Amino acid sequence: DTGVSQDPRHKITKRGQNVTFRCDPISEHNRLYWYRQTLGQGPEFLTYFQNEAQLEKSRLLSDRFSAERPKGSFSTLEIQRTEQGDSAMYLCASSAGLNNEQFFGPGTRLTVL
Amino acid sequence: GQQLNQSPQSMFIQEGEDVSMNCTSSSIFNTWLWYKQDPGEGPVLLIALYKAGELTSNGRLTAQFGITRKDSFLNISASIPSDVGIYFCAGRNYGGSQGNLIFGKGTKLSVKP
Repeated sequence: DTGVSQDPRHKITKRGQNVTFRCDPISEHNRLYWYRQTLGQGPEFLTYFQNEAQLEKSRLLSDRFSAERPKGSFSTLEIQRTEQGDSAMYLCASSAGLNNEQFFGPGTRLTVL
Repeated sequence: GQQLNQSPQSMFIQEGEDVSMNCTSSSIFNTWLWYKQDPGEGPVLLIALYKAGELTSNGRLTAQFGITRKDSFLNISASIPSDVGIYFCAGRNYGGSQGNLIFGKGTKLSVKP
C-alpha cells in the first residue's frame, strides 16, 4: 500500500507522560501536514512541512507539542506532559504538485487518562 | 479555529434516495475539497474543486464550487448502504496559507436499506 501510514494507530497514556507519533507520507510527496480531530468536529490544522522545513504552525500547537521532519520524508509529532485535553485523533496528510490535494493517513487515536 | 458552516448536521435516508449537503464560508475560497470519513479512519478525498462555477463528478457524486466562491455543495445520487459515513467539506481561502485546510463539522449520513 502506498498511502499515508501512521503509527501507532492507538495510544493510551497517563497524564504527564510524553508520547510520540510517526507519519510516513506518500512516496515523493514533499508536503506533510498534521491535524487534530476531536469528537464531532472536523480536523483542525496543527502544522505543515515542505520537505524538511516547518513552514507554518497553528496557535493550537502549544509549546508542549513539537514536530519534526528531519530528512524530508517521515515526520514525528511529540506531545510532552500530556493532558486529558490532548485526547483526540491525530491525523497526518501529505500532498504534492500545484493543486496540493491532501491525502490523509488513518490517524493515531490518543487517549490520556 | 475557523470552521466552515456545513449543513445538514446529519441525514437519515432510504437507500436509493438522492442526497445533498452544502458548505458556506464568510470568506472567499480558492479551493474546495470534499472528504468522507469512516469511524476510526482518516478522511478520504472524494472530489476537489479549483474554479468558481466548476462542476465535477466522481461516479454517483457531484460537487460544485459556488460562483460567489463562498460555498460548495455535494450531491450523492441513488444512495447505497456503503455511502454511510461522515462527509466533510474543506477549503483553502485566498490569502491563507498553502498548508492550512479549513474543515466543516461534517454531515453524518445514515442509509436505511
